[in-house]
Amino acid sequence: AQSVTQPDIHITVSEGASLELRCNYSYGATPYLFWYVQSPGQGLQLLLKYFSGDTLVQGIKGFEAEFKRSQSSFNLRKPSVHWSDAAEYFCAVGAGNAGGTSYGKLTFGQGTILTVHP
Amino acid sequence: SAVISQKPSRDICQRGTSLTIQCQVDSQVTMMFWYRQQPGQSLTLIATANQGSEATYESGFVIDKFPISRPNLTFSTLTVSNMSPEDSSIYLCSVLRLRLNTEAFFGQGTRLTVV
Repeated sequence: AQSVTQPDIHITVSEGASLELRCNYSYGATPYLFWYVQSPGQGLQLLLKYFSGDTLVQGIKGFEAEFKRSQSSFNLRKPSVHWSDAAEYFCAVGAGNAGGTSYGKLTFGQGTILTVHP
Repeated sequence: SAVISQKPSRDICQRGTSLTIQCQVDSQVTMMFWYRQQPGQSLTLIATANQGSEATYESGFVIDKFPISRPNLTFSTLTVSNMSPEDSSIYLCSVLRLRLNTEAFFGQGTRLTVV
């Protein structure tokens, strides 16, 4: 069964600083990987996704993530954090061999809460 | 993107009662899912809501506790039955439009507190 680990429960950074949120996955085949963000009282919004091809993917709001198969990682990065980025971030994996349901039947990590100091 | 409306947005319920959560989408979608997010926890898939047939439940979730309906391509309900305080969670509806999108969209969730 697939699993996702986000080692950092809570990260605090200063506004303007760089950010990296870690995500490690466990899955036997090609994973479909996603990063979602959840702001207080809001649903989940997709930041970016990886299915195949270029291992560095660009997302919305200036985020990017790099897929490293050898490390089973899909870390999320942003060069300069804004106060509005404070939220909870979830890494998720879909079963790559489940057809269309891969995008919807997701296994989520525990989430990382990001606090941004002015 | 798909616009998803979940009702109610929050509720406080007595133990032993049941609550039905509605999920309405603004366009026809191929697949609908229900997730649970317990306090301080991640999201866990409860089931896939199948149109016109019984939902497909994930391990650890059963129909008697979480009956699900999906009468058409834009609407689904999740009922949390015979509630206990352990059912206090956020319940989220998620939708997927195959051949249109390669990502799932999520509703804002229903925050349930059982007292």
